[in-house]
Amino acid sequence: QQPVQSPQAVILREGEDAVINCSSSKALYSVHWYRQKHGEAPVFLMILLKGGEQKGHEKISASFNEKKQQSSLYLTASQLSYSGTYFCGTDASGGYNKLIFGAGTRLAVHP
Amino acid sequence: DGGITQSPKYLFRKEGQNVTLSCEQNLNHDAMYWYRQDPGQGLRLIYYSQIVNDFQKGDIAEGYSVSREKKESFPLTVTSAQKNPTAFYLCASSARDTEAFFGQGTRLTVV
Repeated sequence: QQPVQSPQAVILREGEDAVINCSSSKALYSVHWYRQKHGEAPVFLMILLKGGEQKGHEKISASFNEKKQQSSLYLTASQLSYSGTYFCGTDASGGYNKLIFGAGTRLAVHP
Repeated sequence: DGGITQSPKYLFRKEGQNVTLSCEQNLNHDAMYWYRQDPGQGLRLIYYSQIVNDFQKGDIAEGYSVSREKKESFPLTVTSAQKNPTAFYLCASSARDTEAFFGQGTRLTVV
């Protein structure tokens, strides 16, 4: 079942912060976050594993609440390059990366 | 350089025709995936494979077929049974507990 992302869209001025949320009805092994620019492939941002391990870019932070099956991506001091669509992918297959993606959150950062 | 390659970048299909999209990876990943993306939408899982000679249907497998005869290759055939095939198709691969690497995509259009 598809995870639910919120909000659907965000508009920011440069330097502002944003939080994107992802929730699932299934017990999750991991949550992945990707950013996609129009017409391009998704780019990896962060993976959060059950048990607390995280892997990803230094300037990106995220959280994973295993009890609630929820994850949040924190974008701080936004830059123009942060614009794009953010997707969370959830893995309920026990680490075999059967990723089911949410519908996405569109982020636009303006000068 | 290691990576995942999709070809062709653009593909045109006539009504009633089968077409095959290529996906090759040299990352030594066991798992490979096919996703479909419609304009303004998220990524929907078509098929995935965790090991050679084995694959499972995703959420929207009807009208598609795959094979996994080699670890490096996971071609997707869009059959004439797929009534609305126009979309952006993304192939991905991954190892356990790591991020998914995406190809650059194939844009399929029915003419």
